[in-house]
Amino acid sequence: ETGVTQSPTHLIKTRGQQVTLRCSSQSGHNTVSWYQQALGQGPQFIFQYYREEENGRGNFPPRFSGLQFPNYSSELNVNALELDDSALYLCASRRLDVGETQYFGPGTRLLVL
Amino acid sequence: GESVGLHLPTLSVQEGDNSIINCAYSNSASDYFIWYKQESGKGPQFIIDIRSNMDKRQGQRVTVLLNKTVKHLSLQIAATQPGDSAVYFCAENYNQGGKLIFGQGTELSVKP
Repeated sequence: ETGVTQSPTHLIKTRGQQVTLRCSSQSGHNTVSWYQQALGQGPQFIFQYYREEENGRGNFPPRFSGLQFPNYSSELNVNALELDDSALYLCASRRLDVGETQYFGPGTRLLVL
Repeated sequence: GESVGLHLPTLSVQEGDNSIINCAYSNSASDYFIWYKQESGKGPQFIIDIRSNMDKRQGQRVTVLLNKTVKHLSLQIAATQPGDSAVYFCAENYNQGGKLIFGQGTELSVKP
């Protein structure tokens, strides 16, 4: 196990709603990244948080936003949900000053109807 | 666009055989590469990594080879076991950034 936990494990929402997903990083890890994984695809980078600020973003619209807390836990918020947002959402944590290896949580499966 | 691609989407091997999973990457500036294993319903699990100043790295039953000339990465699994059945992703990274670029994945199926 990686020590990275995510909640909830599964979630069903309807189009237009908002959702908040949560991630608890591995102990000692100060950086968290979020990824979206569509069925049958590799994960796509959404953004990274370090020291409670976003410091890198992929090709995702502003309705995808995040937070990182002093204890390094993190949230991913998605507003105005669309059907294409249905995916597995993964968070990964690492220590920025030690190396690049990112350790992933089990993911949250989001279904938008 | 950015991409890390895999040559074979599926690979079926006999238990005990060696497996080789290939990957092509597109960014010649990438300096760090990782192989992940993802089992059904789980997040990607780190297997092995390699930096661009190396061309080979070995772990327990796994070896990663990097050929920067042709931007190719491979994962070799020795004595493949049924527990190795999963989807394998290669990913690339540049300059310690948080953005990992993943390919589509190769599904490895091990027949007993």
